Amino acid sequence: EAGVAQSPRYKIIEKRQSVAFWCNPISGHATLYWYQQILGQGPKLLIQFQNNGVVDDSQLPKDRFSAERLKGVDSTLKIQPAKLEDSAVYLCASSPILHSYEQYFGPGTRLTVT
Amino acid sequence: AQKVTQAQTEISVVEKEDVTLDCVYETRDTTYYLFWYKQPPSGELVFLIRRNSFDEQNEISGRYSWNFQKSTSSFNFTITASQVVDSAVYFCALIRRAGNMLTFGGGTRLMVKP
Repeated sequence: EAGVAQSPRYKIIEKRQSVAFWCNPISGHATLYWYQQILGQGPKLLIQFQNNGVVDDSQLPKDRFSAERLKGVDSTLKIQPAKLEDSAVYLCASSPILHSYEQYFGPGTRLTVT
Repeated sequence: AQKVTQAQTEISVVEKEDVTLDCVYETRDTTYYLFWYKQPPSGELVFLIRRNSFDEQNEISGRYSWNFQKSTSSFNFTITASQVVDSAVYFCALIRRAGNMLTFGGGTRLMVKP
């Protein structure tokens, strides 16, 4: 079974530029999560989707971050414009159903904002 | 509000030593789940164990063992006869029942030297 796929693996941009990350969850997984992991800290949930609907985006900085999962499969997370403090690893995870408590993580995208 | 604390930011041991990683949590919920994840240098979070709040039985899986003590709100992880491949960052996490957000601790970086 293929795991959670993410691309790109690494991205370097200048502040005020835009960037987008892509995630393809495990086939059949209805729930998809985006986490932000700042260096030296644990991951923090940004947004959770159930199929193509948003379940929780309370910790998403909506002035600059956006995410979508239009067809209920893959998802894109965008930052526009980026700030220095957005430098982090962005992790995508998926689970078979809502509240399954088993989240499978992808390898992450490491973003550096200069 | 939920909180997970991993007081040890970094531990260094020599191969074959036993090592215990501490995790202390705070929650007002009576039903919750606790997790341990391993994050090797590749960046992917690897699920190790899930424990629900009603099951205080200790668990052993090969060289890994977990000690859950509800009275002290602790869920400690012991690696017996550590190996170089155990070198990684280990995260303890908590999720409330019917919740969707994993709350992670800050992580403990374990370095096992040959």
